[in-house]
Amino acid sequence: RKEVEQDPGPFNVPEGATVAFNCTYSNSASQSFFWYRQDCRKEPKLLMSVYSSGNEDGRFTAQLNRASQYISLLIRDSKLSDSATYLCVVLIFKAAGNKLTFGGGTRVLVKP
Amino acid sequence: ETGVTQTPRHLVMGMTNKKSLKCEQHLGHNAMYWYKQSAKKPLELMFVYSLEERVENNSVPSRFSPECPNSSHLFLHLHTLQPEDSALYLCASSQDGPRLLAERNEQFFGPGTRLTVL
Repeated sequence: RKEVEQDPGPFNVPEGATVAFNCTYSNSASQSFFWYRQDCRKEPKLLMSVYSSGNEDGRFTAQLNRASQYISLLIRDSKLSDSATYLCVVLIFKAAGNKLTFGGGTRVLVKP
Repeated sequence: ETGVTQTPRHLVMGMTNKKSLKCEQHLGHNAMYWYKQSAKKPLELMFVYSLEERVENNSVPSRFSPECPNSSHLFLHLHTLQPEDSALYLCASSQDGPRLLAERNEQFFGPGTRLTVL
């Protein structure tokens, strides 16, 4: 089983609609979680960190479910500019040194 | 502008060539990273430097040799590469290395070097 798994998509979303997708992780020692956004042929950029209590940033809401070992990202009122690949990142604390692992990304296509 | 620059942006090299990738961060961060991104594969962490000390080496072949002369600069020296090494090589930096507070691990990426090995 992969350490961090994402549905590759694409999620085809009508403009203005809501889309949500998850990222599952296998290591229960995972401590910190992030969502990055990567546009086509560009570098990843941090979208938001994911806190235990869940957090919201404008139209974006991130949630953490430790019991089921997944994080989610919800995008409301989708814009054409939201089309991108969304990467889930998990930080695992280890005595020998923490480990950052990226998921394969979920591709979102917002269409008019 | 992310504050992390990489040169060159594109590189084509033969299998017998020696080349170097350069990364510079202007953010005052203490940790720097090299990643490899191949088509349809997740980002693969290659090396991590924290305070100029290599703290992680993820079983990367010896034909890739990193160098971190100071906290602002990171190099990846390439020699006798294989065609399967063709990929986008991304550099990133964070305030602190992976041993410290998670909040200080948020990474800022450079634009990447797209490498093609013939």
